[in-house]
Amino acid sequence: DTAVSQTPKYLVTQMGNDKSIKCEQNLGHDTMYWYKQDSKKFLKIMFSYNNKELIINETVPNRFSPKSPDKAHLNLHINSLELGDSAVYFCASSQLAGLAGDDSYNEQFFGPGTRLTVL
Amino acid sequence: LAKTTQPISMDSYEGQEVNITCSHNNIATNDYITWYQQFPSQGPRFIIQGYKTKVTNEVASLFIPADRKSSTLSLPRVSLSDTAVYYCLVAPIYNQGGKLIFGQGTELSVKP
Repeated sequence: DTAVSQTPKYLVTQMGNDKSIKCEQNLGHDTMYWYKQDSKKFLKIMFSYNNKELIINETVPNRFSPKSPDKAHLNLHINSLELGDSAVYFCASSQLAGLAGDDSYNEQFFGPGTRLTVL
Repeated sequence: LAKTTQPISMDSYEGQEVNITCSHNNIATNDYITWYQQFPSQGPRFIIQGYKTKVTNEVASLFIPADRKSSTLSLPRVSLSDTAVYYCLVAPIYNQGGKLIFGQGTELSVKP
């Protein structure tokens, strides 16, 4: 059983196109994330969704839009793709920890990644 | 925001203990420190998390000094399969309104 899955694994497309990457988690988690990892291995948060509410949105161009049809899915839509969008995109999920001070922790489970190449 | 700094790369030999330090001078009171491991062509995987002092699990130990401005991931007796990139993350565990800032990662190479 794959905990966090992403499709497609590889995506090659032309500049200016619109594409989507799908993410699904079967862990029953209530928070999902999208990360971008560039060629230098920097891992940057893009979005986070908790119960269908966007709670984190870093300085990401509005060409990128997350869409969550339900708690188990967080898809990433990208419009007007640019060369600089080429990267590996990771989806992740977690179950928010309880109140600060208890022993629970917020472990993120990552998907296998989608390598996007824009030509 | 708690920016983190790690060494870019480290080399080690099988059987040695490896210590990777992460600096986070601006860590906030409600931030926890989490380490992730990433193999090539895979997503990061959780290793260990702590708030202060020392935490130990079956794969690693995490040392956090009293001022919490740094943390050290300790991998005992590494093997070739420990070759990976290790990321330090400083963030609130309940993430409400917080920022998820990963370090640039430390590429650990274990040699026979």
